[in-house]
Amino acid sequence: EPEVTQTPSHQVTQMGQEVILRCVPISNHLYFYWYRQILGQKVEFLVSFYNNEISEKSEIFDDQFSVERPDGSNFTLKIRSTKLEDSAMYFCASSVGTVNQPQHFGDGTRLSIL
Amino acid sequence: DQQVKQNSPSLSVQEGRISILNCDYTNSMFDYFLWYKKYPAEGPTFLISISSIKDKNEDGRFTVFLNKSAKHLSLHIVPSQPGDSAVYFCAASEAYSSASKIIFGSGTRLSIRP
Repeated sequence: EPEVTQTPSHQVTQMGQEVILRCVPISNHLYFYWYRQILGQKVEFLVSFYNNEISEKSEIFDDQFSVERPDGSNFTLKIRSTKLEDSAMYFCASSVGTVNQPQHFGDGTRLSIL
Repeated sequence: DQQVKQNSPSLSVQEGRISILNCDYTNSMFDYFLWYKKYPAEGPTFLISISSIKDKNEDGRFTVFLNKSAKHLSLHIVPSQPGDSAVYFCAASEAYSSASKIIFGSGTRLSIRP
């Protein structure tokens, strides 16, 4: 069964450094998402992406964050200058559509900011 | 922001019996509801969904019930199996919004005891 893949599984970065999290969505999916889960908290929506542009972003997704689909398969989340509070699990998801279509999630990247 | 609420953080059920997980929501604009299952160190796995035009959807051992007037949904698992032990997330979205971001509940940890 096709799946969303994320790399790396764990990323350790010094505060203030840039980090790029990578995702390969399911191949026939058109909608892409990033979510995060801080330890002990809910899974939170960050951003959705369709047709090479952001569809919606949450208040968490400030100017430090950006997303890109650099080629036909990858979908990336960049955090420009990481902060301690960016430490979380970051999940990528994709869906074939938005109307009554489930989003399928990758296994996440654990981001640890030191 | 408690738009999706799972009031039971944990549930223990004997193998072979029925597991019932409950979820309440407050946003009347939600019209698509999903259940995800999550094992440690993995991403949420889509289980079953229901749109607001239905009150029941069944897939094998899993049945989701929706009571729109009460803004309540439940997931029934019967019979419960040891592999069902996981955290279950209730989630909701506005199916016809531009991006259909998913709003997650806080999860219920289901333990199936032998």
